[in-house]
Parts: sequence; structure tokens; C-alpha cells
Amino acid sequence: DGGITQSPKYLFRKEGQNVTLSCEQNLNHDAMYWYRQDPGQGLRLIYYSQIVNDFQKGDIAEGYSVSREKKESFPLTVTSAQKNPTAFYLCASSISPFNYGYTFGSGTRLTVV
Amino acid sequence: AQSVTQLDSHVSVSEGTPVLLRCNYSSSYSPSLFWYVQHPNKGLQLLLKYTSAATLVKGINGFEAEFKKSETSFHLTKPSAHMSDAAEYFCVVSDGANFGNEKLTFGTGTRLTIIP
Repeated sequence: DGGITQSPKYLFRKEGQNVTLSCEQNLNHDAMYWYRQDPGQGLRLIYYSQIVNDFQKGDIAEGYSVSREKKESFPLTVTSAQKNPTAFYLCASSISPFNYGYTFGSGTRLTVV
Repeated sequence: AQSVTQLDSHVSVSEGTPVLLRCNYSSSYSPSLFWYVQHPNKGLQLLLKYTSAATLVKGINGFEAEFKKSETSFHLTKPSAHMSDAAEYFCVVSDGANFGNEKLTFGTGTRLTIIP
């Protein structure tokens, strides 16, 4: 079955560490997205990529970095510069957002300890 | 520019009674509109979408929504609530203004609680 796989499901990070969240899709979608979700705040866009080797900052990109070396993969690195990284992170992909919306992964919950 | 407003952050209904989750949108162009559902610690699942065809859209699990251009609304309804409907619901808009660089804009969500 086609879909989006996010791993790990739960991740714990010590202060000052960088961590990388994985997002893989086998839907042959060109566009991929990373969102952060905090209680009561809905979804906020971190980064998005419309095509391989290209990506754009979203609304809250500071403290995060991404790469898009393969169509199937869009990993997100949460750097030590991100002051409040504890959140639920969602990856999504689309073939045409206007007509089809997004397909979402099941999320990664990151906690700083 | 596009935006979406979910008018209620929290809605509670009794099991077996109707559900109404309200959404208003703003768009410079003819929009596409979506409703997504999220159960705790899960990703978002598409419930239904409107993309300029029939204004009354039927989705999964008995939900439906009506696109009303004159009211700029896209309210989500279900005739009879079930306990499994308890979740967070997101109204989403895309106006296609930036062709080839489209993104979705999400509302802040409505938490639906079902009272036994």
C-alpha cells in the first residue's frame, strides 16, 4: 500500500543535541511538507519542497533544516538553535494540493529531556 | 491571500445527536476546501473535499459539508454522532493562486467531544 512513513514515533532529545526525523513516501508525490503541531495552535508550516533538490522555508523555519536529495525522502533536522522543540511533527506529501489535498504521515512526537 | 476560520475551538454533543462544525474561509480565487480529522497522536485523515463540483460534498463516516459561496462557509455536519467521532477536526483551504506552488492553509481546529 502507498503511504507516508514517519520514524521514529517517539523521540527524546537532550538539550543542545541535533535530531533528525525521517519521512519517506512511496506515492510518487513531487511535493512534501513538514508541520509542527502544538496544543491549541493547529498546524504550522516549517519547510516544504516542491521538487527534488529544492525546498522553501515555511512560517517557522528557524532552528530547523531539511534536505531533499531523493523524491521519496524529506528528513527534518531539529537543531540546538530551536529553543522550544518539544512538539508533534507531521510530514505530508501531495501531487496537487489544490485538487487532492495532502496525505499525512502518522507523526513523530519529540520531547526534550 | 487565503485564510480559514473555525468558529468553535470545542464542540460537545450527545451520542446520536447531530454534529455541526463551523468554518468560514477567505480566498482571492475559487477555492478548494477540505476537512481533515485527527485522532489523538495520529496523523490527519481526509474526510472530504470540495473542488468546484457539487456544492454538497459527502465524505467518509457519514460526514458531509456544503460549500456556500455567498456566505464564504464550508460547515461540516453529521446527522447522528457516534462515540468514535470524538477527535480534532481541521478546515483547510487552497485557492490555487500560486499555480505550481500551491499550499494548504489550515484552521486552528475544533475539538469534538461526544457525550455518552
